[in-house]
Amino acid sequence: AQTVTQSQPEMSVQEAETVTLSCTYDTSESNYYLFWYKQPPSRQMILVIRQEAYKQQNATENRFSVNFQKAAKSFSLKISDSQLGDTAMYFCAFHGGSNYKLTFGKGTLLTVNP
Amino acid sequence: NAGVTQTPKFQVLKTGQSMTLQCAQDMNHEYMSWYRQDPGMGLRLIHYSVGAGITDQGEVPNGYNVSRSTTEDFPLRLLSAAPSQTSVYFCASSNLAGEGGEQYFGPGTRLTVT
Repeated sequence: AQTVTQSQPEMSVQEAETVTLSCTYDTSESNYYLFWYKQPPSRQMILVIRQEAYKQQNATENRFSVNFQKAAKSFSLKISDSQLGDTAMYFCAFHGGSNYKLTFGKGTLLTVNP
Repeated sequence: NAGVTQTPKFQVLKTGQSMTLQCAQDMNHEYMSWYRQDPGMGLRLIHYSVGAGITDQGEVPNGYNVSRSTTEDFPLRLLSAAPSQTSVYFCASSNLAGEGGEQYFGPGTRLTVT
């Protein structure tokens, strides 16, 4: 079974600074996908970024980028130029290519301070 | 498109009562799923469906039933509510779940069982 570990229950950052959220996973799959979802206080789950394991290039979406280290099974999220609207719970999630299940980590609560 | 809709948004039940959480999507997605979110636990998969007439269990299926008679709807039934089922419930859908496609989430239902 796959497991996803987020070792930072809470983090804080000053507005305009950069912060990195950690995620590690364990799997025996060779083909899989990794995601970061954001859950603001509104409770809505929003996809931030997606990485395909067979792609060596790290995914980027505007101020959000990942550091995908396949051998180390690590998938960290970097948020540049943090904004107050980035305050949210962030979940790392894993999807093995052979099934339909999405496995989530326990989340990291990020607070951006003015 | 309305995307993924869930009703109700909030519900209070007494122990032993039954109820159905409704989920509908208008994106013609084959894959639909139910998650529960508890503090410090992330999101855990309850049941999922890969098409009309096909359902399967997730990580925490006990106490819940599902059926999928149409592509659009995927209701979740609580047979005899227990306080341990107090949680926030999310429905999600995807058209490429088997290929790591994005899952679109509904707004969630907050359920309290007393």
